[in-house]
Amino acid sequence: DAKTTQPTSMDCAEGRAANLPCNHSTISGNEYVYWYRQIHSQGPQYIIHGLKNNETNEMASLIITEDRKSSTLILPHATLRDTAVYYCIVRAPWGSGYSTLTFGKGTMLLVSP
Amino acid sequence: GAVVSQHPSWVICKSGTSVKIECRSLDFQATTMFWYRQFPKQSLMLMATSNEGSKATYEQGVEKDKFLINHASLTLSTLTVTSAHPEDSSFYICSARTSSYEQYFGPGTRLTVT
Repeated sequence: DAKTTQPTSMDCAEGRAANLPCNHSTISGNEYVYWYRQIHSQGPQYIIHGLKNNETNEMASLIITEDRKSSTLILPHATLRDTAVYYCIVRAPWGSGYSTLTFGKGTMLLVSP
Repeated sequence: GAVVSQHPSWVICKSGTSVKIECRSLDFQATTMFWYRQFPKQSLMLMATSNEGSKATYEQGVEKDKFLINHASLTLSTLTVTSAHPEDSSFYICSARTSSYEQYFGPGTRLTVT
């Protein structure tokens, strides 16, 4: 699977948009970009995923560049409960399924009042 | 979304004893489950992949005789840490894969070996 690069940490003011970048310059054409987050002492929580097109759900938006070498996760109105480590993961399909999720170091997002 | 539970959420055991951690998929069947370990301030590391009705596949460096995995049903996988030592103290997280190959994670089990 392609390797990802994320900033170690980011800060965001409550109520503002949090934009978390991820570089995946070696991504292959059939690999998806997944985002998970982990609140302290909890299991990871799925946020969103995409292949080429931008995606939006009730939690966040995912913007993928046209060349697919980078993406940005957007939390439109960050709250204190969004403080967590955010993981960007590139996931390749293999055989009839998908590769196991492999976690990097992620970005520690701190949302402050 | 799919729900995965773990039991217990935390456990303290004495060195040399064994402890079992359960992972259940509550509203879906999971032919494949995964066990991860996370040390403080580190990321999740995959320990093993568990397939229902067959032997687990362990990642390099993980002792299969120490970390016994049983996936006897489509909704339950167990991880038994045998002869636990203080260095086994960690946060153990399971994950279950749905039929559409999405992975959902349990809340984790904090193991402390004294």
